[in-house]
Parts: sequence; structure tokens; C-alpha cells
Amino acid sequence: DVKVTQSSRYLVKRTGEKVFLECVQDMDHENMFWYRQDPGLGLRLIYFSYDVKMKEKGDIPEGYSVSREKKERFSLILESASTNQTSMYLCASGRAYQPQHFGDGTRLSIL
Amino acid sequence: KQEVTQIPAALSVPEGENLVLNCSFTDSAIYNLQWFRQDPGKGLTSLLLIQSSQREQTSGRLNASLDKSSGRSTLYIAASQPGDSATYLCAAGSRGGSEKLVFGKGTKLTVNP
Repeated sequence: DVKVTQSSRYLVKRTGEKVFLECVQDMDHENMFWYRQDPGLGLRLIYFSYDVKMKEKGDIPEGYSVSREKKERFSLILESASTNQTSMYLCASGRAYQPQHFGDGTRLSIL
Repeated sequence: KQEVTQIPAALSVPEGENLVLNCSFTDSAIYNLQWFRQDPGKGLTSLLLIQSSQREQTSGRLNASLDKSSGRSTLYIAASQPGDSATYLCAAGSRGGSEKLVFGKGTKLTVNP
């Protein structure tokens, strides 16, 4: 079975902090994705990566950056956390033309 | 810009009923259409993926259809069970290979025993 592991289920940080969310997949997938999920807004794509060191902006990249130094790991970085970044963050991975596999999510609260 | 809509937002049915969940998309130039299930507080689980050249896909009690020309997909659940209670999301794949998805907001299904 594909395993997508997000480093934390719950995280509480303060405004202005630099926050790192980590995601690891064990199936050698080329593609990895970061989404945020908010009530009434659904899932929105923040960034995705189709190869090591390659990245593309999604629909809402402002305030975020990403890093993919190894194929199995995709990190989402909140450069200076703000309260409007309080959300559920979901990581996914997949191969071309195949379904995406999701982690269980990180519920991030920015105080 | 692709927009995906799911109606209804919530649905409650008695156990054993057959039901249909609807998904519509504005841009018919999709590469695929995917259906996911999400349980409370969890990530998404892939149910079915229909490539743009296909009309339907089946897995067990689930059947998903795709009509690109009308911008619609449906997920049919046969003989519903309480364990089917979850939120169902559809997503349109806008670029082949990278699988960049645009999601609908989901239909929350409750199956009552």
C-alpha cells in the first residue's frame, strides 16, 4: 500500500514564525502536492512538484514556499506565519495519469 | 479557469438505497476526472479515476460516469451502507502527466441504518 506520511497531525505556532510541514512518500512517485482545505472553500492547490528540485505554483502560493531535495520528501514552508494560514494542510503524491494518494493531514493553528 | 461544482452539498438516505452524486465542470478540456472519499479529520482516499477517453469506471458497488461534452460526471453508489457515510469529492485533472487537480467542495453523505 502507498504510504504518504505527514510529520505532524496537529501543530500550533505563533504569528511571524517560520513553519515547516514535512511530507514523505514511499512509492517513488514523481509528483507531489500540497493543498490546504478550508470550510466553504474546499481543497486548493498551493504548490506541486513533478521532479526533484522542480516546483510549480498552484492556485494560492502567496506566503508559502516549498522544497524538494529528495524524491520522497516534499516540504511546505510558511515564511512568516499569519493567522489566515490556520487551516488543514494535505500532502499528496502520485504518478502521471494515476490517482493521487493523500496523507492524513496536518491541522495547523496560527495564534 | 476550471470550476468544479458538486450538488447537493449534503445528502441523507436510508440504508440500502441506490444513490447518485453529481459533479459538473466548466472546462471540458480535462484529462481525467477523479472521485475521492474523505472521512472526518482524515485525508482523501481515491475511489475511481476516469480518463478523458473513457465513459465510465466501476469498482464494486461504485460506478462513475463521465460526459465531457456536457461537463458532467456522476458517482453511483448501489445498495448504500452506513459505512459509506463520508464526504465525496470529485476533481478535474487539467493537465496530463502532472495530474494538477481542481476539486469540488464535496457532497456529505449520511447513510442511516
